[in-house]
Amino acid sequence: SQQGEEDPQALSIQEGENATMNCSYKTSINNLQWYRQNSGRGLVHLILIRSNEREKHSGRLRVTLDTSKKSSSLLITASRAADTASYFCATGPANQAGTALIFGKGTTLSVSS
Amino acid sequence: DTAVSQTPKYLVTQMGNDKSIKCEQNLGHDTMYWYKQDSKKFLKIMFSYNNKELIINETVPNRFSPKSPDKAHLNLHINSLELGDSAVYFCASSSQGAANTEAFFGQGTRLTVV
Repeated sequence: SQQGEEDPQALSIQEGENATMNCSYKTSINNLQWYRQNSGRGLVHLILIRSNEREKHSGRLRVTLDTSKKSSSLLITASRAADTASYFCATGPANQAGTALIFGKGTTLSVSS
Repeated sequence: DTAVSQTPKYLVTQMGNDKSIKCEQNLGHDTMYWYKQDSKKFLKIMFSYNNKELIINETVPNRFSPKSPDKAHLNLHINSLELGDSAVYFCASSSQGAANTEAFFGQGTRLTVV
């Protein structure tokens, strides 16, 4: 069953602005990951946050995780045109060794210069 | 030096045909996956292999069969192709189950059934 749901489905901003995407999930997780997909390309891993972590940073990316609300957010600061892509959250289910990531439907981000 | 490579990148074929998509990873990972991405960009897990054994088999039609000759390869065979099979298929790998670590994806194979 679908695990992650991203919000919004689409986001358009100007270069230099911040972009925030949200993800909600349904069941217990081991970790939550964010991926980026450029048009016509494969998915690229951005960041992984474990269920016992609340916040994580990587360059211009900031991810938060609230396991009580079963939600996560991805913040991209000072966005650039090159950030234009689809962003997906994916959850690694708890207590299921060897299982695959379950992806949400994604947020399409457009950054205009 | 591509970590996960798939061939072909594009595949156009007629209904009823049988086709294969190949995937290879040079990362030394134990687990490989096949995902299907539909026209709305929804990614659904189809299969995963760990040390050459199938450990997930989602409810996909049995026309789809994964074949793993060794730990570095996971091919996808599709028999009697149907229009609804048109999608982008992604191969991926991870060092453990992806529930614990990041997954690395190939560039995808865009399959069009006409």
